[in-house]
Amino acid sequence: AQTVTQSQPEMSVQEAETVTLSCTYDTSESDYYLFWYKQPPSRQMILVIRQEAYKQQNATENRFSVNFQKAAKSFSLKISDSQLGDAAMYFCAYRSGNSGNTPLVFGKGTRLSVIA
Amino acid sequence: DTGVSQDPRHKITKRGQNVTFRCDPISEHNRLYWYRQTLGQGPEFLTYFQNEAQLEKSRLLSDRFSAERPKGSFSTLEIQRTEQGDSAMYLCASSLTGFNYGYTFGSGTRLTVV
Repeated sequence: AQTVTQSQPEMSVQEAETVTLSCTYDTSESDYYLFWYKQPPSRQMILVIRQEAYKQQNATENRFSVNFQKAAKSFSLKISDSQLGDAAMYFCAYRSGNSGNTPLVFGKGTRLSVIA
Repeated sequence: DTGVSQDPRHKITKRGQNVTFRCDPISEHNRLYWYRQTLGQGPEFLTYFQNEAQLEKSRLLSDRFSAERPKGSFSTLEIQRTEQGDSAMYLCASSLTGFNYGYTFGSGTRLTVV
């Protein structure tokens, strides 16, 4: 079974600075999808960014970008120009591409604090 | 369409009671998922539906748990004879069929068993 590991339970960043959240995963598959989700306090989880494993180019969404290292099975999230609204739990998630029926597998999350 | 709705937002129940949660997905989404999230953990998969068919159930879903999605629209998750270990946030999500679609999550139902 696939597993997702987020080794940083908590991180903090100064407003306007850059922070990188780590994620590693374990899989024997070659085709899969990776996601980062944000869960603000007492609010619903929202999709931040996604990456297809077959794409070599790292995904970017405005201030959010990923560093996808397929051989190392690493998928880190970089947040540039951090804002107070970025404070949240961030979850890394994996989805198999071998079947359309497999659900997302999540890591335990990283709590990000933004310091004004 | 206002997204995925879950009801109630909070539920406090006594141990041994039955509870039922409801999820209304985005109308054009044919897939609906239930996850459970405990404090300090990521969401754990419970079960999912494609239209009205329940396609997969996690081993976390004991016999006390049952989920339905009649007519492929809203879904209900029932927990019978609740235990303190059932206390958690129950998250519902929906998506279109396809590998690269992310999920749209609801705000969750927080269950406290006392």
